[in-house]
Amino acid sequence: AQSVAQPEDQVNVAEGNPLTVKCTYSVSGNPYLFWYVQYPNRGLQFLLKYITGDNLVKGSYGFEAEFNKSQTSFHLKKPSALVSDSALYFCAVKSYNTDKLIFGTGTRLQVFP
Amino acid sequence: DTAVSQTPKYLVTQMGNDKSIKCEQNLGHDTMYWYKQDSKKFLKIMFSYNNKELIINETVPNRFSPKSPDKAHLNLHINSLELGDSAVYFCASSQSYQETQYFGPGTRLLVL
Repeated sequence: AQSVAQPEDQVNVAEGNPLTVKCTYSVSGNPYLFWYVQYPNRGLQFLLKYITGDNLVKGSYGFEAEFNKSQTSFHLKKPSALVSDSALYFCAVKSYNTDKLIFGTGTRLQVFP
Repeated sequence: DTAVSQTPKYLVTQMGNDKSIKCEQNLGHDTMYWYKQDSKKFLKIMFSYNNKELIINETVPNRFSPKSPDKAHLNLHINSLELGDSAVYFCASSQSYQETQYFGPGTRLLVL
């Protein structure tokens, strides 16, 4: 069975500091991994994905994520946080042979000025 | 140019009523989805359609019935609304099951 864990309900970081939002997954076969962001009262916006290839994936708004197969992780990172990055971040996974996308419980990122 | 649009944006209704939410995508995608986001922000897939054919039907009460008149539209009809149906419902679409899903803005349903 597919599953995603986001162990932190909230991450607090000062503006200008690097940020990491953690995600681990469980899936049979090769995983398709995604990060989405949700701003208040808005829909989900796609940030980046890993399908295959380079383990470091770069996405929108300066975000990147690193796929680590041995640790079954796909942590989201940004070198320098902005106050405007404050939002709810979702990690999601699906197996290569299905369109059933399983979401984590979300991590609220709060960037303080 | 809204890629995935939903109507209405807000829906307030009484228990027992029947309501519909409409979704349209102009991305030319073959697959469309409905998700439910509960009050704790937990997101779960409800249905997916590929070229008007039902692919995924999670353990959703049969009061919920998706209808896809064509591959650009996937509507959600809900009969006999209950308090627990209050949630945000998101529509999404993707080119195929392997590709990225793009989400609509959501419909906030409140059942009183």
